[in-house]
Amino acid sequence: NAGVTQTPKFRVLKTGQSMTLLCAQDMNHEYMYWYRQDPGMGLRLIHYSVGEGTTAKGEVPDGYNVSRLKKQNFLLGLESAAPSQTSVYFCASSEHGTKRIAFFGQGTRLTVV
Amino acid sequence: TQLLEQSPQFLSIQEGENLTVYCNSSSVFSSLQWYRQEPGEGPVLLVTVVTGGEVKKLKRLTFQFGDARKDSSLHITAAQPGDTGLYLCAGSMNTGFQKLVFGTGTRLLVSP
Repeated sequence: NAGVTQTPKFRVLKTGQSMTLLCAQDMNHEYMYWYRQDPGMGLRLIHYSVGEGTTAKGEVPDGYNVSRLKKQNFLLGLESAAPSQTSVYFCASSEHGTKRIAFFGQGTRLTVV
Repeated sequence: TQLLEQSPQFLSIQEGENLTVYCNSSSVFSSLQWYRQEPGEGPVLLVTVVTGGEVKKLKRLTFQFGDARKDSSLHITAAQPGDTGLYLCAGSMNTGFQKLVFGTGTRLLVSP
């Protein structure tokens, strides 16, 4: 039972480079989320999806794009990385919306130099 | 603007002591969740409370949702080193998408 799997776990990028973070869940959940976690800031929602083919902006969407072409996958893209995007990124999924988000991935630690 | 404030930010105690962590807001939440996060891992859901005044117990952990659903507390009895971690509260807003808002976290260290 894998739950929510994120790849990669670590990455170092140079300013201006692009990359895609992959999130996969095997629980047939409708809702998926991308958060970033910074010291003293808690987790902040970047983008979310309420179902296959749908995406929406969260509270800190600038500089990121997402896609949900398949129900089980939620991709987070950085087109031109900036040092301000250095963070730990978490993907999460839930069955019925945000009242109970029980499954988070292990995180991706991204450093932009 | 941080909608959920947690206190204290850091707590270092000895094994066997009791402690309480607070999660406060001026906003009303439809539900509130508590998570524990260990280094290098994602948050793990401990409990969800949905009714004002609700109390839930999980072994030595007691969670309470405020009567007005604006605040919550986590009480740990006889803390153990295994309780060490970052404790996060998160409230589900009762508007639109019901965005989940996370608190800033309380980092707990329990020493043997």
